[in-house]
Amino acid sequence: RKEVEQDPGPFNVPEGATVAFNCTYSNSASQSFFWYRQDCRKEPKLLMSVYSSGNEDGRFTAQLNRASQYISLLIRDSKLSDSATYLCVVNSGGYQKVTFGTGTKLQVIP
Amino acid sequence: NAGVTQTPKFRILKIGQSMTLQCTQDMNHNYMYWYRQDPGMGLKLIYYSVGAGITDKGEVPNGYNVSRSTTEDFPLRLELAAPSQTSVYFCASSQETGPNYGYTFGSGTRLTVV
Repeated sequence: RKEVEQDPGPFNVPEGATVAFNCTYSNSASQSFFWYRQDCRKEPKLLMSVYSSGNEDGRFTAQLNRASQYISLLIRDSKLSDSATYLCVVNSGGYQKVTFGTGTKLQVIP
Repeated sequence: NAGVTQTPKFRILKIGQSMTLQCTQDMNHNYMYWYRQDPGMGLKLIYYSVGAGITDKGEVPNGYNVSRSTTEDFPLRLELAAPSQTSVYFCASSQETGPNYGYTFGSGTRLTVV
C-alpha cells in the first residue's frame, strides 16, 4: 500500500459545483496534514493545513479522519480559477518523513 | 520579498555533463530542501539542510550533491548527468521543521538529459 494515495482524476465539474477529494495515508503515526495546490507547470503552493477538528478557509473545507486514515478537501461554488492539481501532503515526523501524494486534477468547466 | 528563487528555469544537458542548480531564499529560513517531480509521481526528497553547514540525504540522493555555506543558498550539483535525471527540480524552504510548517517552493528547474 502506498504511503499516501490520491485519486488522480481528472474531476471535471461545472462552475458553481461542489467537489470533494479524499486522500488516504498508511502510517497511523502521521502527525500533520496539508493540501497544496499546483497549477500546470508551476510550483506547489500551500493551500491549507488540516486540523483534527476540521477547518475552513472561504470556499475550502479540510477534514481529517484519523480512524479511517484519510483527509478530505471540499471545494464549494467552484470557480474556473480553481482548476489545478491538488496535492495531499502527510508528515509522519519531521522533514525526512514528509510524503507528497501524486495529486488529484480538477478541471472546472464553464 | 522574492521568496525562493531558482535558476535556471530550463536546461538541456548531454549525458555525462555536469551542472549546478541554484537556489536562494530571502526569508531567513533555516530549513531547505531539494525535491524532484516526475510525471505521475509525488515529489521525492533528494537532499535537505537544517542550517548552514549541515546537509543530509533524502529518499533519492544518488547522482546529486549539495552544499550549504550560507543560510540563503542551497545549490544542487549534478556531476555526471544521466537520462534518469530528466525531471522537474524544486527547491523549498521552511521556517521550522515539525508538523505545523508548510513549505515555500521555488518556481522549479526543468531539466532534460539527452
